[in-house]
Amino acid sequence: KQEVTQIPAALSVPEGENLVLNCSFTDSAIYNLQWFRQDPGKGLTSLLLIQSSQREQTSGRLNASLDKSSGRSTLYIAASQPGDSATYLCAGRWETSYDKVIFGPGTSLSVIP
Amino acid sequence: DAGITQSPRHKVTETGTPVTLRCHQTENHRYMYWYRQDPGHGLRLIHYSYGVKDTDKGEVSDGYSVSRSKTEDFLLTLESATSSQTSVYFCAISERAVTVEAFFGQGTRLTVV
Repeated sequence: KQEVTQIPAALSVPEGENLVLNCSFTDSAIYNLQWFRQDPGKGLTSLLLIQSSQREQTSGRLNASLDKSSGRSTLYIAASQPGDSATYLCAGRWETSYDKVIFGPGTSLSVIP
Repeated sequence: DAGITQSPRHKVTETGTPVTLRCHQTENHRYMYWYRQDPGHGLRLIHYSYGVKDTDKGEVSDGYSVSRSKTEDFLLTLESATSSQTSVYFCAISERAVTVEAFFGQGTRLTVV
């Protein structure tokens, strides 16, 4: 059974700091992994999608990496801003359960001005 | 935002009553999903659909049923609501299976008392 975990559950950093959010998964035969952002009371906004053949994806101040052998993905946020405060979730899809996506519990990020 | 609407946005119901949540899309996407989100669990897949009248179970399908009679509508029914089904429910749509859910609805907060 594939499982996704995210540690820590909450993180608080001062504005301007670079930070890394962690995502771990149990099955290295991952098809792709995606990072989402969720603002309070809102739905999910897709940030980055990494296919199994890729090692990283970048969008603006965000960089996501994928290491299948170690079962880890990281989301790097450069020069954090108060507007980055949100919950960040990672989600994976595996070759053996193609149509299903498994989410981690999320990391709640607070960027303090 | 993508053309995806969930209704109702909030509902309070009594234990034992049936409840139906509606997801409506205007994107003509083939795949539609229902998730529930609970603290510490992230999003868990309840049911999904890969076409009109084609549905399959997710990891937490007990106590739920779905129907999709038209491309644009995906209904989630709680046959006899229980307090454990108090949650926030999200609908998602995807154009292709190879991509993780592209768009999420705003969520429905359901309270069973």
